[in-house]
Amino acid sequence: QKEVEQDPGPLSVPEGAIVSLNCTYSNSAFQYFMWYRQYSRKGPELLMYTYSSGNKEDGRFTAQVDKSSKYISLFIRDSQPSDSATYLCATGRNYGGATNKLIFGTGTLLAVQP
Amino acid sequence: EAQVTQNPRYLITVTGKKLTVTCSQNMNHEYMSWYRQDPGLGLRQIYYSMNVEVTDKGDVPEGYKVSRKEKRNFPLILESPSPNQTSLYFCASSPNRDGNTIYFGEGSWLTVV
Repeated sequence: QKEVEQDPGPLSVPEGAIVSLNCTYSNSAFQYFMWYRQYSRKGPELLMYTYSSGNKEDGRFTAQVDKSSKYISLFIRDSQPSDSATYLCATGRNYGGATNKLIFGTGTLLAVQP
Repeated sequence: EAQVTQNPRYLITVTGKKLTVTCSQNMNHEYMSWYRQDPGLGLRQIYYSMNVEVTDKGDVPEGYKVSRKEKRNFPLILESPSPNQTSLYFCASSPNRDGNTIYFGEGSWLTVV
């Protein structure tokens, strides 16, 4: 079983739709959770991060973490064609001296149709 | 402009011919790492470095070497490339150990034939 599972999609939605992207993880020791956006032929860029269960909002984006069910979500409101990209969830934990280790999901390809 | 720069961006090479992918960051970050991205497998960490002269293995280090002689540079070395190292490679840097702010380079497409 992978430590982080993510539906690869592709997910196609019309412009203006609400998009829901999801991941599950297996290790309850994971402490922080992130979403990255990756445009074609580009490096991932950080969208959202959170340390706790609950919601975190940034503009049209809301990250949601439910530690009890080990579930991570990203919601995009009023989706735009410019949101078309691959979205990667990531999670990690402190390992003492080597804390900077993230586990990434495989990514969900999103296409927002004009 | 804050950035992580990798070179080359695209490379086709032959099995066994040593190659180096360079990585440089201009943000004075202590932490740097290398990832490879493969379809269905996602991003996997190859090596990381917490500071100059401090490096350690990630999840998939076999067939790779790294060095960190200067803070800004973290080259990835493939001593004897094999076709299973055909992949998209990303260098990344971060100002802290928590990993909640990682800056990725643009990626290097490597094909080994």
